[in-house]
Amino acid sequence: QVQLVQSGAEVKKPGASVKVSCKASGYTFTGYYMHWVRQAPGQGLEWMAWINPNSGGTNYAQKFQGRVTMTSDTSISTAYLELSSLRSDDTAVYYCARGGSSSSEGMDVWGQGTTVTVSS
Amino acid sequence: SYELTQPPSVSVSPGQTARITCSGDALPKKYAYWYQQKSGQAPVMVIYEDSKRPSGIPERFSGSSSGTMATLTISGAQVEDEADYYCYSTDSSDNQWVFGGGTKLTVL
Repeated sequence: QVQLVQSGAEVKKPGASVKVSCKASGYTFTGYYMHWVRQAPGQGLEWMAWINPNSGGTNYAQKFQGRVTMTSDTSISTAYLELSSLRSDDTAVYYCARGGSSSSEGMDVWGQGTTVTVSS
Repeated sequence: SYELTQPPSVSVSPGQTARITCSGDALPKKYAYWYQQKSGQAPVMVIYEDSKRPSGIPERFSGSSSGTMATLTISGAQVEDEADYYCYSTDSSDNQWVFGGGTKLTVL
């Protein structure tokens, strides 16, 4: 079955960077876009970025441009999200979610989430 | 930036019909997706492409879209349907995806 397994929780200091991974299984990794979504404590969902693993093309939400980098390693069916210059308001659960075969399709399967805590 | 607007809360009694709306300027041309999120869990897609239901989602969940508004309908809501519901769509360029602010559904 389609499954996305994310890396474990992270604790970072303000100004540092964090890199979260998302390993896909049960489908052809290069055939689907991958998205990242975050959720701050007690808040709603916030879309951050997508990557096309086949081409490596990316698209970032305007709010995160300049601070976020999304990459993938097709040899191990894994997508990565790196967020730099961390601030306390970056404390959130970060989810990867499989998109469709085009950028205009939404997400169907989600990872379990990775908690990132930014604290001095 | 593009925005989707949802009511913060909806409350119904068990067995009643719950309707959650989502408004956005690009919805006449872009699909809406709906996600259910229960406390402490990852979101689950309950409706895709305005009105399609993924396998495993109960038939009481349905979706529709007309003009600038999409609607999630839960016919005969159950206590286990209590959750936060989010609509999700893209702007007219397919570059910026956004979630609505979320609607807390209470069934009691």
